[in-house]
Amino acid sequence: DARVTQTPRDKVTEMGQEVTMRCQPILGHNTVFWYRQTMMQGLELLAYFRNRAPLDDSGMPKDRFSAEMPDATLATLKIQPSEPRDSAVYFCASGFHNEQFFGPGTRLTVL
Amino acid sequence: GENVEQHPSTLSVQEGDSAVIKCTYSDSASNYFPWYKQELGKGPQLIIDIRSNVGEKKDQRIAVTLNKTAKHFSLHITETQPEDSAVYFCAATSGGADGLTFGKGTHLIIQP
Repeated sequence: DARVTQTPRDKVTEMGQEVTMRCQPILGHNTVFWYRQTMMQGLELLAYFRNRAPLDDSGMPKDRFSAEMPDATLATLKIQPSEPRDSAVYFCASGFHNEQFFGPGTRLTVL
Repeated sequence: GENVEQHPSTLSVQEGDSAVIKCTYSDSASNYFPWYKQELGKGPQLIIDIRSNVGEKKDQRIAVTLNKTAKHFSLHITETQPEDSAVYFCAATSGGADGLTFGKGTHLIIQP
């Protein structure tokens, strides 16, 4: 069945390193979202794209985070440089109209 | 922006009993209200949703109700089973395909 896939599933890195997370949305979905989940803040929207165009990235720290969608089958979220406070689970979701379907997430640990 | 409050944070019920989780939202322009179930180590799974032109929706043992005037919506699970144990999130969005604003989650525990 159609699913959102994310890689890597787990990432441990040291402070200052670059981290790239990838997402393959469900074929035919025109909207892709990036969310972050932490115990303290819960689920927060970072950015989203519609038809590959960025619509809102107000949830992202602009100085270190960037999100792109180079083609319809790939969305990326990059953190450079990473900091310990970026440790969280990052989810990609894709959708068409209102419904959003989440991937399994990337668990990021920054030491 | 939108603010979603969710209660309770933890709910323990006996197997076979019903469970109710409640959420309130702040933005009167919100018109789509999904509920997600998240199991440990997995992504949130959409289980039911409701749009602002509908007051109630049912799908087998789960139902959602919406009161637009009071700006609150609720998830009802009947005949609870052990596999219903999980964290449940409510969310709201103001339309189109905008990002969701989530509640803080309810940890539902089904006691055998």
